[in-house]
Amino acid sequence: GDSVTQMEGPVTLSEEAFLTINCTYTATGYPSLFWYVQYPGEGLQLLLKATKADDKGSNKGFEATYRKETTSFHLEKGSVQVSDSAVYFCALGSFTGGGNKLTFGTGTQLKVEL
Amino acid sequence: DAGITQSPRHKVTETGTPVTLRCHQTENHRYMYWYRQDPGHGLRLIHYSYGVKDTDKGEVSDGYSVSRSKTEDFLLTLESATSSQTSVYFCAIRGMTHSGNTIYFGEGSWLTVV
Repeated sequence: GDSVTQMEGPVTLSEEAFLTINCTYTATGYPSLFWYVQYPGEGLQLLLKATKADDKGSNKGFEATYRKETTSFHLEKGSVQVSDSAVYFCALGSFTGGGNKLTFGTGTQLKVEL
Repeated sequence: DAGITQSPRHKVTETGTPVTLRCHQTENHRYMYWYRQDPGHGLRLIHYSYGVKDTDKGEVSDGYSVSRSKTEDFLLTLESATSSQTSVYFCAIRGMTHSGNTIYFGEGSWLTVV
């Protein structure tokens, strides 16, 4: 079945550092890939998405590229801020051919310090 | 804002009592979902609905039932709450954007079973 594996946290960075959070997936067919962000005490917000191979999703300085050859969707940001501190979830969506499911990784907590 | 409202937002209940969580949406989406979030597990699908009176089980459906008598409301019921059902519950809808299907989440309902 579908599965998502993302790097364990917490990840602690200094402000303005480069961020990478690794995400790999296993899926049949042609899934869509998502990154969600969750701030303390809040729900999940869609950060970015990609729907096919080689697509790059981007939002608020974050980027991720759908790599079918390596089954990966790593999240990157060139310069993190304290306000980026949150939990980040990678997810895989199978919505075609009768599929109707979003499968999540376990989340990676990011802490950004001054 | 995907127009999703969850109620109650916080609840403490006793073991063995029934609990109902409500999800209300304002945008006439066909697909609605209930997830639970627990440390180390990410989000896991409990039940979902693909129309009025049309529901199906997710990966962790034991101990839960759902109902959808109107397009806008999706109810999650714990028939007899147990401590293992202490969790954060998220309702979600599936919406179509210019870039394809995307799932949007409500703010969450924090449930504690004592």
